[in-house]
Amino acid sequence: ETGVTQTPRHLVMGMTNKKSLKCEQHLGHNAMYWYKQSAKKPLELMFVYNFKEQTENNSVPSRFSPECPNSSHLFLHLHTLQPEDSALYLCASSQDIAGGPDTQYFGPGTRLTVL
Amino acid sequence: GQNIDQPTEMTATEGAIVQINCTYQTSGFNGLFWYQQHAGEAPTFLSYNVLDGLEEKGRFSSFLSRSKGYSYLLLKELQMKDSASYLCAVRDSNYQLIWGAGTKLIIKP
Repeated sequence: ETGVTQTPRHLVMGMTNKKSLKCEQHLGHNAMYWYKQSAKKPLELMFVYNFKEQTENNSVPSRFSPECPNSSHLFLHLHTLQPEDSALYLCASSQDIAGGPDTQYFGPGTRLTVL
Repeated sequence: GQNIDQPTEMTATEGAIVQINCTYQTSGFNGLFWYQQHAGEAPTFLSYNVLDGLEEKGRFSSFLSRSKGYSYLLLKELQMKDSASYLCAVRDSNYQLIWGAGTKLIIKP
């Protein structure tokens, strides 16, 4: 499945580093999402973009900064992270953010480790 | 608050049947989803229920009772490749997906 791609797949960074995660979807969808997945915890929705406009920011610390230049690309800029930010970061896309059986398609994720 | 409950881990035997339960308390209801996630991979969509009843799709079926806030995923004729985590998610009144922590299913020969 190559509908949603994410790079890098693995990232190790120090607390003072700045890095960016990239997501690209090839499905022609209008909505894109960032999720954080920690072990044995539910997926945490971080940000939602619909037609390039941010529609949700679920109380995410400012050390995470999203960017959506167009409907196909989504970035997550990281700076001065904490060790508790270590997790799997998943990108997803869907046709839109409305109801019905519209499902979200996920990328393989970036495994982030903060030292 | 909003909450999705599902068992942390289940074990079943190859060829058998297993039922994974999910109970939810959410602000509104606009559908329930089941996803499968193999270790180190992306979650993939399995099923969607919005009306009460059973939805069957091959070896997998999903049931919903809105009045009870309850769903289950039924897997028949289990295969080793079914070893994965199964995630239950409910779309709330704001059309956001609220996720359970997932059920890790272990299949033994």
